Amino acid sequence: DSGVTQTPKHLITATGQRVTLRCSPRSGDLSVYWYQQSLDQGLQFLIQYYNGEERAKGNILERFSAQQFPDLHSELNLSSLELGDSALYFCASSVDGRVANTIYFGEGSWLTVV
Amino acid sequence: SQQGEEDPQALSIQEGENATMNCSYKTSINNLQWYRQNSGRGLVHLILIRSNEREKHSGRLRVTLDTSKKSSSLLITASRAADTASYFCATGLNRDDKIIFGKGTRLHILP
Repeated sequence: DSGVTQTPKHLITATGQRVTLRCSPRSGDLSVYWYQQSLDQGLQFLIQYYNGEERAKGNILERFSAQQFPDLHSELNLSSLELGDSALYFCASSVDGRVANTIYFGEGSWLTVV
Repeated sequence: SQQGEEDPQALSIQEGENATMNCSYKTSINNLQWYRQNSGRGLVHLILIRSNEREKHSGRLRVTLDTSKKSSSLLITASRAADTASYFCATGLNRDDKIIFGKGTRLHILP
C-alpha cells in the first residue's frame, strides 16, 4: 500500500458527461501528480500540483482540469467525455514535488466511457 | 513524444534466467527511475539512479546509467514468476520538475 488513495476505483459513464476523480496523497506529501494510462499512449503526464499551486503541465486536454485543495487532496475533472478518454487515471504524490524524489502511485481510477 | 523509450516492448524468459530491459531518453536528466506495474495496478518504485551515478544495485536489481549515450538498463537476476509485470523507466528532467514515463517493457516469466 503506497498510502495514496484514489476514488472511485471504477467508473462507467456516457459520452458527453462529466466526472470527477479524487486523490488523497500520502501523509506529509505536498505534491500531487496526475497521469493517464491507455493502451496506445502509455503513461501520459497530465499535471502536477505543489501545495495547492500548479507546478507543471503536461498533455492535459482543455476539457480536463484539476486542482489541489488546502487539505492537499486533489481532484481531476474530466468533461465532455469522449470514447477515447477511457483509460486508467493515476494519482501520485511526493514529499516536495522535486524531481529528485520518488513519487508514489495510487491504484488508479478506471474510467470507461460508453 | 515520450521522453523515455523502453526496449524491448515485450520479453519472455524462463524462470531463473536474467532479464535485461533498456531505456533511452532524449534530454538532459536529473535522475532516472525504474518502476514496476502489475497488470491493472499502480506503479511501484524500484530504484532511482542519479545523473552522476553509473550503477546501482538493489537486491536482484541492477541499474546502469550512461549519460553520454542517454541510456539506462535494468537487469533482474534469477527471475521469478512474481517478476512478471510491466517495467517503466521515468526520467526526471533538469529543466522542470516533470517526471516522464516511457511506454514500458512487458516482462513474462515462463515457469
